[in-house]
Amino acid sequence: DAKTTQPPSMDCAEGRAANLPCNHSTISGNEYVYWYRQIHSQGPQYIIHGLKNNETNEMASLIITEDRKSSTLILPHATLRDTAVYYCIVRVSGNTGKLIFGQGTTLQVKP
Amino acid sequence: KAGVTQTPRYLIKTRGQQVTLSCSPISGHRSVSWYQQTPGQGLQFLFEYFSETQRNKGNFPGRFSGRQFSNSRSEMNVSTLELGDSALYLCASSFRLAGVNEQFFGPGTRLTVL
Repeated sequence: DAKTTQPPSMDCAEGRAANLPCNHSTISGNEYVYWYRQIHSQGPQYIIHGLKNNETNEMASLIITEDRKSSTLILPHATLRDTAVYYCIVRVSGNTGKLIFGQGTTLQVKP
Repeated sequence: KAGVTQTPRYLIKTRGQQVTLSCSPISGHRSVSWYQQTPGQGLQFLFEYFSETQRNKGNFPGRFSGRQFSNSRSEMNVSTLELGDSALYLCASSFRLAGVNEQFFGPGTRLTVL
């Protein structure tokens, strides 16, 4: 599985969009980009995943660059409840439950 | 529907003892994975079970073992506990179908080794 690089921490004002970047320059053609988050002392929560097209669901949007070497998770209207550690994971989908977590980005949403 | 449940939620043991943790996956999910989370090492994959068979294993010593039952419930066991085994142990379940592999995590079991 490809390695990812994320900034260790970011701040965001409540109500504003939070844009969390992730670099995955060694991603392979069959590897997906997954995002999970972990709110303090809880289990990680799946957010979204994508292969090459941009994706959107009720939680967030995922923007993947055309060369697929980086991506951005967008929380359109961040709330205090979005304060968490966000993990970007790159892996082949489907045949394994194994996730390799990096250090993630600690997002602090401030009032 | 009910989420992933883990029991117990908190556990205190002493060095040298052994411990068994339990995980009940979401109904219909056949894959269960286990992770260890510590402040120093972060989230690390322990092993994955599917249809009662271990499919993947992380880089942990043999003191860490697991099993899965026919109803997909899983247990992990740690023998001869060490202080460094103090951690949050998380399990995750998924359908494990090609292209659909979101992992749903439980709340974890907080193990403290004294």
